Amino acid sequence: AQSVTQLGSHVSVSEGALVLLRCNYSSSVPPYLFWYVQYPNQGLQLLLKYTSAATLVKGINGFEAEFKKSETSFHLTKPSAHMSDAAEYFCAVSGKGSGGSNYKLTFGKGTLLTVNP
Amino acid sequence: ETGVTQSPTHLIKTRGQQVTLRCSSQSGHNTVSWYQQALGQGPQFIFQYYREEENGRGNFPPRFSGLQFPNYSSELNVNALELDDSALYLCASSGDNRGVGGYTFGSGTRLTVV
Repeated sequence: AQSVTQLGSHVSVSEGALVLLRCNYSSSVPPYLFWYVQYPNQGLQLLLKYTSAATLVKGINGFEAEFKKSETSFHLTKPSAHMSDAAEYFCAVSGKGSGGSNYKLTFGKGTLLTVNP
Repeated sequence: ETGVTQSPTHLIKTRGQQVTLRCSSQSGHNTVSWYQQALGQGPQFIFQYYREEENGRGNFPPRFSGLQFPNYSSELNVNALELDDSALYLCASSGDNRGVGGYTFGSGTRLTVV
């Protein structure tokens, strides 16, 4: 079974400041890890994914995340926040589900990022 | 390439009724998953379809059922609607059932049960 814990349900930063959103995972097998962003009243957009290649993953809109196996973490960062980054961010782990051969996504509860001018 | 499209975008139903939600997967994707996202929560896995067969299920009762068609589009059916079924229902497609290539999500159907 797998699980995801996102530390901090709400993070507030100033425009131009560093963005750090924390994610810790639990998985019994080598995981695939994802970060998604959700804008109000919209679906989920993939920011980046880790699938056992390079541990530092670069995504869209200047975001990146580093897979640290020893810390079971996959924190999301962006050097300089922009007003358009304000949204809800979800970390997810893909692992084998029950009752089939599928690899379902298990999501964290999300972190709401607000960016202050 | 077209993305994942879901219909309808919004829906209001009465408790006890039945509802069908539809999803067209991204071109070239053969796997469709459905998720329920309650207000203020992360999405919860309902089930997945791979090549027209259910390929895994989350902790949802049997009144949640689905189908996948030969063109890989999919339906989610919910019978005997309850107030707690009010949520955003998200469909996601992928090119493989391991999700290595990532999952593409639709914009969702907002279901309100009154």
